[in-house]
Amino acid sequence: AQKITQTQPGMFVQEKEAVTLDCTYDTSDPSYGLFWYKQPSSGEMIFLIYQGSYDQQNATEGRYSLNFQKARKSANLVISASQLGDSAMYFCAMRGGRGFKTIFGAGTRLFVKA
Amino acid sequence: KAGVTQTPRYLIKTRGQQVTLSCSPISGHRSVSWYQQTPGQGLQFLFEYFSETQRNKGNFPGRFSGRQFSNSRSEMNVSTLELGDSALYLCASSLSSENTIYFGEGSWLTVV
Repeated sequence: AQKITQTQPGMFVQEKEAVTLDCTYDTSDPSYGLFWYKQPSSGEMIFLIYQGSYDQQNATEGRYSLNFQKARKSANLVISASQLGDSAMYFCAMRGGRGFKTIFGAGTRLFVKA
Repeated sequence: KAGVTQTPRYLIKTRGQQVTLSCSPISGHRSVSWYQQTPGQGLQFLFEYFSETQRNKGNFPGRFSGRQFSNSRSEMNVSTLELGDSALYLCASSLSSENTIYFGEGSWLTVV
């Protein structure tokens, strides 16, 4: 069975510093995709970044990068130069196999301090 | 390009009633999936539709149902509402089942 684990319920980071949000996954499928989403208090889930299981390089999107370690089955999100607007819930997700569904971790709430 | 649109955004229903939520996917997207989000259970997959066919279903009772129309728009229905059905219902669309899913703003349902 597929599973996503986010072990940090909450994280604090000082504005302008970098922060890493942890995500580990479990799957027996050789082909899968890993995603990170941001959910502000308004409720909308915002897509941030995608990493394919066969991608050789770590994905980057602006201030977001995904530290993909396939052997360890981890897909940590790194946010550089944190901003106050980054305060939100962050979800790690995985899509793979023939399940036709994306599964999500429990999420990490990030607080950015001024 | 318009994003995923969900209606209504907020609604209050009474126990025992039924509710229908609507989702219009991003233009060109043929896959629509639905999720229920609650503080206690997190994000739980309800079902996914592709070209009007349900291809996967989560572990929810039969009171939860959905459908997809030929224009890819989707609806989900919850009958005989219970207090525990109070949640944020999120719809997401993608080009196909292998692509990134993009979410709407969600429908906040409160059952009283």
